[in-house]
Amino acid sequence: NAGVTQTPKFQVLKTGQSMTLQCAQDMNHNSMYWYRQDPGMGLRLIYYSASEGTTDKGEVPNGYNVSRLNKREFSLRLESAAPSQTSVYFCASSGRTALPTSYEQYFGPGTRLTVT
Amino acid sequence: GQQVMQIPQYQHVQEGEDFTTYCNSSTTLSNIQWYKQRPGGHPVFLIQLVKSGEVKKQKRLTFQFGEAKKNSSLHITATQTTDVGTYFCAGPTRYSTLTFGKGTMLLVSP
Repeated sequence: NAGVTQTPKFQVLKTGQSMTLQCAQDMNHNSMYWYRQDPGMGLRLIYYSASEGTTDKGEVPNGYNVSRLNKREFSLRLESAAPSQTSVYFCASSGRTALPTSYEQYFGPGTRLTVT
Repeated sequence: GQQVMQIPQYQHVQEGEDFTTYCNSSTTLSNIQWYKQRPGGHPVFLIQLVKSGEVKKQKRLTFQFGEAKKNSSLHITATQTTDVGTYFCAGPTRYSTLTFGKGTMLLVSP
């Protein structure tokens, strides 16, 4: 099992360019997530998909769009990149939550994006 | 909204010293999770605590969940250079997502 895979690993964009970050998981997980990580800011949720066919905004959704293509794949699109979107982007997946316990999240290796 | 705070932000220790990071939530949590991220890597799940007052151990790591289920701690005994990284706590939200603390970066000098 590859777990969670992300492409590309690195990307440099000019302001105004667009791009799509790809994420796929092979663990048959229902839920998938996109985070961004900036120094001193921890992990901030951009968008998530609790199950195939649904997507919802997280803490910092502005400037991003997502598509849950199928159960395996969840992509993140930057329509018009800005320098403020320079960050490390992580995709994660998890099984269905049944409180009080929660399934742990499995993270991909990340995409390091620089917008100049 | 729910906030999860971690202290300290950084900790630099000599190899062999102990280390503790603390996590506090603004709301009562049904459970708390801990993750470790090595430099240049991605977060990796360590453990989940569910019960009030729960204590779990993984070798030199001891995890505690407070009686009121609003705080937690991770204690590492006799740190090693392999412990270097950032440790995050995370609590679930009612939307089946996690709110992560900002993490504690641990540096260990040999």
